[in-house]
Amino acid sequence: AQSVAQPEDQVNVAEGNPLTVKCTYSVSGNPYLFWYVQYPNRGLQFLLKYITGDNLVKGSYGFEAEFNKSQTSFHLKKPSALVSDSALYFCAVRDSRGSTLGRLYFGRGTQLTVWP
Amino acid sequence: DGGITQSPKYLFRKEGQNVTLSCEQNLNHDAMYWYRQDPGQGLRLIYYSQIVNDFQKGDIAEGYSVSREKKESFPLTVTSAQKNPTAFYLCASSGTSGRAYEQYFGPGTRLTVT
Repeated sequence: AQSVAQPEDQVNVAEGNPLTVKCTYSVSGNPYLFWYVQYPNRGLQFLLKYITGDNLVKGSYGFEAEFNKSQTSFHLKKPSALVSDSALYFCAVRDSRGSTLGRLYFGRGTQLTVWP
Repeated sequence: DGGITQSPKYLFRKEGQNVTLSCEQNLNHDAMYWYRQDPGQGLRLIYYSQIVNDFQKGDIAEGYSVSREKKESFPLTVTSAQKNPTAFYLCASSGTSGRAYEQYFGPGTRLTVT
């Protein structure tokens, strides 16, 4: 079974400090991993994805994520947080095996709050 | 949100009425999806479609129905059988060629049933 866990419902960080939003996953084969961001009353916006290759993936708005196969993790990071980064963040996974349909399994989301 | 439109943004209905939510995409994507979002529960998959005239139930399909008569359109009907229909509904689409592909989301429709 495929699943994603985001162990923190909320993350609070001061502007200018580094931020980390955690994600762990479970799949049978190799994972395809994704991060999305959602602002209030909006749809999800794609931030970045890991398919294969370099474990450090860079994405939009200065975000990056590190794939760690041994720990089955894909934590989202940013070196210096902005107040405008405050939003709901979702991690998602898809197994590389099986049907070509791109069904994703989402975590429950982590609310990031960056205070001035 | 670019490329996928959902209408209306807010929808109010009385209990016992069916209601249809619109989703249109101009990204030439084969696959389309409907999710329901409730506070603290993340996204739950209702229905998905890989190709025109074909669709599959997701994890919470009871009380919902869909059609896929055109590649660009994937409307969702919330029927009176859905016990708790008030929620934020998100439509998404993705390609199906290649090894991996992200989903693109519409702006969502917030349905309130009283």
